[in-house]
This record gives sequence, C-alpha cells and structure tokens, in this order.
Amino acid sequence: DQQVKQNSPSLSVQEGRISILNCDYTNSMFDYFLWYKKYPAEGPTFLISISSIKDKNEDGRFTVFLNKSAKHLSLHIVPSQPGDSAVYFCAATAGNMLTFGGGTRLMVKP
Amino acid sequence: NAGVTQTPKFQVLKTGQSMTLQCAQDMNHNSMYWYRQDPGMGLRLIYYSASEGTTDKGEVPNGYNVSRLNKREFSLRLESAAPSQTSVYFCASSGEGASLLGNQPQHFGDGTRLSIL
Repeated sequence: DQQVKQNSPSLSVQEGRISILNCDYTNSMFDYFLWYKKYPAEGPTFLISISSIKDKNEDGRFTVFLNKSAKHLSLHIVPSQPGDSAVYFCAATAGNMLTFGGGTRLMVKP
Repeated sequence: NAGVTQTPKFQVLKTGQSMTLQCAQDMNHNSMYWYRQDPGMGLRLIYYSASEGTTDKGEVPNGYNVSRLNKREFSLRLESAAPSQTSVYFCASSGEGASLLGNQPQHFGDGTRLSIL
C-alpha cells in the first residue's frame, strides 16, 4: 500500500501558465516533505521542501503548500517554462526513511 | 563537480549471474543510499548507510547486499540476479546526521540501468 501517492501520471500546461502538481499521503507520522525533479537519464535533483510545522514554502517560481488535515501537498510553478518539463516526485519522511510517490510527468508547451 | 558517481551506466545480465554496482561521492557526506526505480512506483529504498561501517535494510532489501567500503564508496551487490531485479538503480548521499532526516536533501547519481534476461 503506497503511503505517498501522486494520482496524476502526467500534466500538460502552456508556457507562462501555472502548473499545479499534487501529492497525497496516508502516514500521519510524516513530518517533512520534499519535491524532486528528474530529467531523462539523470538522477533526481532536490527542488524544494517543507516542514510539517509550516503550510507554505516559497522559492522563486516554486511554492509548496501543505494541508496537514487533508494529508495533501502541492507544488505550484509560476510561470511555467519549457525547461520545467520533467518528472516530479514528492517524498515524505518521518525521520527514518524517505518514501517517494510514483511521479508526475509535467510537459510545458511553448 | 562530480557529486555522486555511479558505474556502470548500463548492464545486461543473465539470470543467476552476479554483479556489483559501484557508487562514490565526493561531498564528504556521512549517509549513503541505494534505491531502485520501477515504472509508476517512484523510488524505493533498498539499503542505506548512516555512516562508514554501518548499513541497514530499507523497504526492499531482499536479493541484495551492500558494502560501505569507506566514507566515499557504497556498493550494491546482486549475488544471483533475477528478472524481477530489472530496474534503474540510483545511489544517493546526504550530509551530516546519523538518520535519514528529510531536511538533509539527498543528492543522486545518474543511475544504472540494469536488465536481467
């Protein structure tokens, strides 16, 4: 049973618009959440994170929102750029193991 | 600026053959990890090493062994490869701490694509 789920395998967005990637989790013990970005034939690279004591963290065009009551987090990319096209993984930890979602492939069209 | 280096990048094995995947990091990180990535399942932790000389099982350790040779190197061994082990394998490392705290983001290598026939 997957503890971290990304229910949208893919997402297509027009350049300049907002991309919203979603992630749901089931383990209430998770206290830190991360987003990783992955290009083909490369390893994942860290993008942004959020602690469970916060509900928002922003870094440039990237913002992560956390709704603990709904066990839901989302990544907003504004404005989206063609170079953002990649697979995005959310991940969560309770301090002993990092658990990844299945990934969402984002395609940003020029 | 190498970061995490994995060798080889590709490998094809026959069922029953053995193989060692190599990983080295040059960031002086204490913790190192091995993951496998399968379609639709994200990355799953096989083994990790919180510090030199220690290793622990992750989510899917069966069929694998690891060695933390020194602070830089962490190898993954398949003693008798099976088709179910066909996957992309990623090594990662993270800085300070003797745990897998998520607030120390992990740095990943570019992966080893392994096919077992």
